[in-house]
Amino acid sequence: QKEVEQNSGPLSVPEGAIASLNCTYSDRGSQSFFWYRQYSGKSPELIMFIYSNGDKEDGRFTAQLNKASQYVSLLIRDSQPSDSATYLCAAPNQAGTALIFGKGTTLSVSS
Amino acid sequence: EPEVTQTPSHQVTQMGQEVILRCVPISNHLYFYWYRQILGQKVEFLVSFYNNEISEKSEIFDDQFSVERPDGSNFTLKIRSTKLEDSAMYFCASGGLADQETQYFGPGTRLLVL
Repeated sequence: QKEVEQNSGPLSVPEGAIASLNCTYSDRGSQSFFWYRQYSGKSPELIMFIYSNGDKEDGRFTAQLNKASQYVSLLIRDSQPSDSATYLCAAPNQAGTALIFGKGTTLSVSS
Repeated sequence: EPEVTQTPSHQVTQMGQEVILRCVPISNHLYFYWYRQILGQKVEFLVSFYNNEISEKSEIFDDQFSVERPDGSNFTLKIRSTKLEDSAMYFCASGGLADQETQYFGPGTRLLVL
């Protein structure tokens, strides 16, 4: 059974700092990973996905994937109070027919 | 920007009653999903649907659950005889032909079973 693990936090950073969110996964065969943002009481919102080892940047967000270490991370530069949310890491199951989610890490950005 | 829509946003029902949750996926998407999230817990996969049939279902998706695509736009989740433990947020998601793994979520239906 594939598992995706995240530290539940909360992770607290001051406004303007870099927030680093981490995720580990159990299945060495996993090829793709997704980061979703979820505000309290709302639905998951796709932020980024990454398939290849290395870094992928999109605006203030950078996803990093290290398949050898089975580790994926999300960096948020210049953190804003509006970034305060729970960040969900997800990976597809083997057949690609479902996403397996971690419990999420709660980020709090203070102004 | 196209988005997944869901109705109703909230549903309160009595234990044992049937509920139908409705979703309109993004129009050119072909893969459809239902997930649920019990308050304070992780998002859990229920079922995936492609080409008018279920492609995968989880252990949660037992005989009380069913899905249907009654027309070209709607995708429904029916819970036949609701239980207290069915109280949760139910999210519909859809994915495109080019990349079924990239899923976009609707706003959810909050179901409360009394």
